[in-house]
Amino acid sequence: EAQLVESGGGLVQPGGSLRLSCAAPGFIFSDSAIHWVRQASGKGLEWVGRMSAKAKNYAAVYAVSVKGRFTISRDDSENTAYLQMNSLKADDTAVYYCSRTHSNFHAFDIWGQGTMVTVSS
Amino acid sequence: QSALTQPASVSGSPGQSITISCTGTSSDIGANNYVSWYQQHPGKAPKLMIYDVNNRPSGVSNRFSGSKSGNTASLTISGLQAEDEADYFCNSFTSSGTRVFGGGTKLTVL
Repeated sequence: EAQLVESGGGLVQPGGSLRLSCAAPGFIFSDSAIHWVRQASGKGLEWVGRMSAKAKNYAAVYAVSVKGRFTISRDDSENTAYLQMNSLKADDTAVYYCSRTHSNFHAFDIWGQGTMVTVSS
Repeated sequence: QSALTQPASVSGSPGQSITISCTGTSSDIGANNYVSWYQQHPGKAPKLMIYDVNNRPSGVSNRFSGSKSGNTASLTISGLQAEDEADYFCNSFTSSGTRVFGGGTKLTVL
């Protein structure tokens, strides 16, 4: 069964950095665009950004709220994507999910279980 | 990019039908047919319910349907069941290549 598995969450101080991982056992990762979505406690979903597949030159786009601080990367040989988060703020505290779109399918059909990031001193 | 607008809450009795609206702009919902809907139960990851405005993934009940008119998309759930009680989020592709979610709607089955 296709699935995504996030890891790397934890407690970090304001201004600090953290790198999240998104592993994809069970399906052809390289054909997929990988998205990161976050959800603060009791709040709605917020799209963070995405990196396209190799066929679209690994293009990356980001939400305004994280642009310049967050970077998405991927290693198709390891079936893993990453979210590098720098200059973290309290407002970045959330559960972070990775998800995917692929080929001409533009909806998020597979989601990970999420990993919690807490930014606090 | 501002969040799409959804009602904070809707409710209905078992067997009834409800509709959740999702209002955007000509730069997102009005610009394409890549509107999708997600169901989220407490403590769980979102689950895709509708894609490309009105298509159901395999395994999703035909009680769920979607539509769009102009800058507003809608999710209709017919024959409400207790298990439908959850949060629902819409999402749209935007003309700038990003994605935007709605604020979410809490569905209560009375």
